[in-house]
Amino acid sequence: QSALTQPASVSGSPGQSITISCTGTSSDVGGYNYVSWYQQHPGKAPKLMIYDVSKRPSGVSNRFSGSKSGNTASLTISGLQAEDEADYYCCSYAGSSTYVFGTGTKVTVL
Amino acid sequence: EVQLVESGGGLVQPGRSLRLSCTASGFTFGDYAMSWVRQAPGKGLEWVGFIRSKAYGGTTEYAASVKGRFTISRDDSKSIAYLQMNSLKTEDTAVYYCTRVLGNGSGSLDYWGQGTLVTVSS
Repeated sequence: QSALTQPASVSGSPGQSITISCTGTSSDVGGYNYVSWYQQHPGKAPKLMIYDVSKRPSGVSNRFSGSKSGNTASLTISGLQAEDEADYYCCSYAGSSTYVFGTGTKVTVL
Repeated sequence: EVQLVESGGGLVQPGRSLRLSCTASGFTFGDYAMSWVRQAPGKGLEWVGFIRSKAYGGTTEYAASVKGRFTISRDDSKSIAYLQMNSLKTEDTAVYYCTRVLGNGSGSLDYWGQGTLVTVSS
């Protein structure tokens, strides 16, 4: 199972919106509505930001939103803030009770 | 407050074994599936596997890269999940995270431990 494809880096200025893509296949992203997104600050454990493509866990800012079209899922961060600077990973169900993560995207706030 | 604390990491020689533990608190451990995720130094996240709750048979699933070498188990009476790693390879060097699986069937990981470093080297 190959890792899902994410851009290596995305950047934006404070207040702007950015979108991170996560591209898979019809066997993972495109085949199920089980895409999640995780935020990881340096030296810290990942944190769940979005699950089931577009649902936000309690406590996660509504500046974070998720969507999916075909084999590509997306995470949008609106009103970018300095604290959003981190690595972001998508994850998808890949069938046969297995899961696959994305390659990861480093978000830089300019 | 949900807490997951991993232990058991360290330096181990290739071909040897190591067992990691994940001690949980703050929730009814037996009601949840538990998963392990690893991250090699400077690299991305890799799903390792998970164990279902007893209500769903307590069965396990693994990534192809560890299947046959790693075994996940659980002791609900102690609220501990284990990751038994055998025939370790240098490429197994990583921080290993214990995670709780969101209880809605999606497999999303809603709580993570702080991780424990496993270094496989001679």
